Amino acid sequence: NAGVTQTPKFRVLKTGQSMTLLCAQDMNHEYMYWYRQDPGMGLRLIHYSVGEGTTAKGEVPDGYNVSRLKKQNFLLGLESAAPSQTSVYFCASSRDQGRVEQYFGPGTRLTVT
Amino acid sequence: AQSVSQHNHHVILSEAASLELGCNYSYGGTVNLFWYVQYPGQHLQLLLKYFSGDPLVKGIKGFEAEFIKSKFSFNLRKPSVQWSDTAEYFCAVNDAGNNRKLIWGLGTSLAVNP
Repeated sequence: NAGVTQTPKFRVLKTGQSMTLLCAQDMNHEYMYWYRQDPGMGLRLIHYSVGEGTTAKGEVPDGYNVSRLKKQNFLLGLESAAPSQTSVYFCASSRDQGRVEQYFGPGTRLTVT
Repeated sequence: AQSVSQHNHHVILSEAASLELGCNYSYGGTVNLFWYVQYPGQHLQLLLKYFSGDPLVKGIKGFEAEFIKSKFSFNLRKPSVQWSDTAEYFCAVNDAGNNRKLIWGLGTSLAVNP
């Protein structure tokens, strides 16, 4: 039982390049989330999904796209990376919303130069 | 809109000192409350949570938190910290009704000196 895994762990991009971050969970959770963590700004929700085939915008969705084609996977895409997207990205999943905890992946540290 | 405020951004303590980290939220309805911890280089994990019942909840590693509804607060406490408690601590709240997305505080960085 690996929980929530993220690939890659580190990445350096040049401005304008694109990439996809992969999140996978093996807990059969319905809900999945992408956050970014920046110093002094806590966790900010980028996009989330309430089930396979669904996605929704979070607090800071601009510049990102997501897809949830399979229940266990949640992909975060950057079509044209910008230095402002330098951050640590965390994926999380949960069985439901409300009273249940979110389980987090180890994070992806992305630097855009 | 809901918001979560963590008053202490950086806290430095010596081992065996007592800890209290403040968390206040700005929603008047029924809420679910969480404290998460992020140890250096690790992912976030749940420390404790409160939904209903006894307002004093106990979590892992000797942590506890008290929900005071009248003060909209959910402060985290530990009577005697250890060096291994060095971490970043996040308070999070969601509306127990329709909109149940978690709202996160900005975090408190705790450094415990041996």
